[in-house]
Amino acid sequence: SQQGEEDPQALSIQEGENATMNCSYKTSINNLQWYRQNSGRGLVHLILIRSNEREKHSGRLRVTLDTSKKSSSLLITASRAADTASYFCYGPLTGANSKLTFGKGITLSVRP
Amino acid sequence: DAGVIQSPRHEVTEMGQEVTLRCKPISGHNSLFWYRQTMMRGLELLIYFNNNVPIDDSGMPEDRFSAKMPNASFSTLKIQPSEPRDSAVYFCASSLVLGAPHNEQFFGPGTRLTVL
Repeated sequence: SQQGEEDPQALSIQEGENATMNCSYKTSINNLQWYRQNSGRGLVHLILIRSNEREKHSGRLRVTLDTSKKSSSLLITASRAADTASYFCYGPLTGANSKLTFGKGITLSVRP
Repeated sequence: DAGVIQSPRHEVTEMGQEVTLRCKPISGHNSLFWYRQTMMRGLELLIYFNNNVPIDDSGMPEDRFSAKMPNASFSTLKIQPSEPRDSAVYFCASSLVLGAPHNEQFFGPGTRLTVL
């Protein structure tokens, strides 16, 4: 399996603080995506960063990609209680035998 | 658009029974994915289709699982016979074009399956 592996597995912060989550993957990617899952719901796409990009912003989200280290980070600034959710990275791979899958995700708890 | 539609939302059945999960992808999407989510194993890809054709079913746990996509607007995932270890939340997702740079997946609300 070429799944992304998120780190840490769980993160608890105070509202207003920044949350940083990391993802590592094993082989080449076309792009890397981050998704959020609220309890009892399906995943929702947050942001996509292409393999030739190093950083991307969307509102309070900032994603970085380091292809040399095969890693990505998701930063949520000025967190809110509503950001409490699980976050997954997903890396569709190049190659005919690519395996598409997600990791187990990071559980983020934002305390009011 | 109503998004990806899955039915039923909840299913409780007894071991040995046949279970059929249904999915309607977003209109115009060419790729469809079936996932299974458990606490122990996380989110696992079971199978995906491109233009109604199964591309990779290597994630299907065993022969008890089968999936079909008879047309662009409907897919089923069948478990026969079901076992308690099949208890999980099953998600269906669709995407505009597999392999394209902007292949964001849109997930349905999931079907929570409990096999007693």
